Amino acid sequence: DIVLTQSPGTLSLSPGERATLSCRASQSVSFGYLAWYQQKPDQAPRLLIYGASNRATGIPDRFSGSGSGTDFTLTISRLEPEDFAVYYCQQYSVSRTFGQGTKVEIK
Amino acid sequence: QLQLQESGPGLVKPSETLSLTCTVSGGSITSSSYYWGWIRQSPGKGLEWIGNIYYSGTTSYNPSLKSRVTTSVDTSKNQIFLKFNTVTAADTAVYYCVRSGAVTLRRAFDLWGQGTMVIVSS
Repeated sequence: DIVLTQSPGTLSLSPGERATLSCRASQSVSFGYLAWYQQKPDQAPRLLIYGASNRATGIPDRFSGSGSGTDFTLTISRLEPEDFAVYYCQQYSVSRTFGQGTKVEIK
Repeated sequence: QLQLQESGPGLVKPSETLSLTCTVSGGSITSSSYYWGWIRQSPGKGLEWIGNIYYSGTTSYNPSLKSRVTTSVDTSKNQIFLKFNTVTAADTAVYYCVRSGAVTLRRAFDLWGQGTMVIVSS
């Protein structure tokens, strides 16, 4: 299995600030087959980014993904109130596995 | 607008079989563009992919769960099914029905059902 480790566990920021979330894989994720999801309380996860850097349909451009190999980043350029949530990375290069999540909370 | 809706018993006894149904509405399950599948989420294990199925019946499973899982599809009813046998308390989770693209780059999970909570307890 490819193990995904997300950091930090919790990110405390204010609206308007920039958020940078990290996802590190235990082995290379081929072709950037990595996705990011947002989950709010009592809701299903929502796809934000696929293929490491492609925004899913309807996702605002303040969300961007980057990275390759074993290191990937999700950046939220300016946090809106609705962006405070838990974010997960997921690889689909070898089987499918998820990271443990990063919580973005209001400072 | 395509939607996924899970259904099934919320309580299952240990050692029994968990059976869930996902009904797809607003679109056809026979689209060649998508796979359908199941993911679960528990406080202890986080998000865990269970398996995928194509409308033709082709399946792929999480290797760690493969021995206990079966997925199937009924194209006439636009439904997919999950059977998970010999359950234990560790299988207590929210179970999601999901869709992913058939093209490799798009095999992220782009559509999720609302999820159904399943508790394994006697």
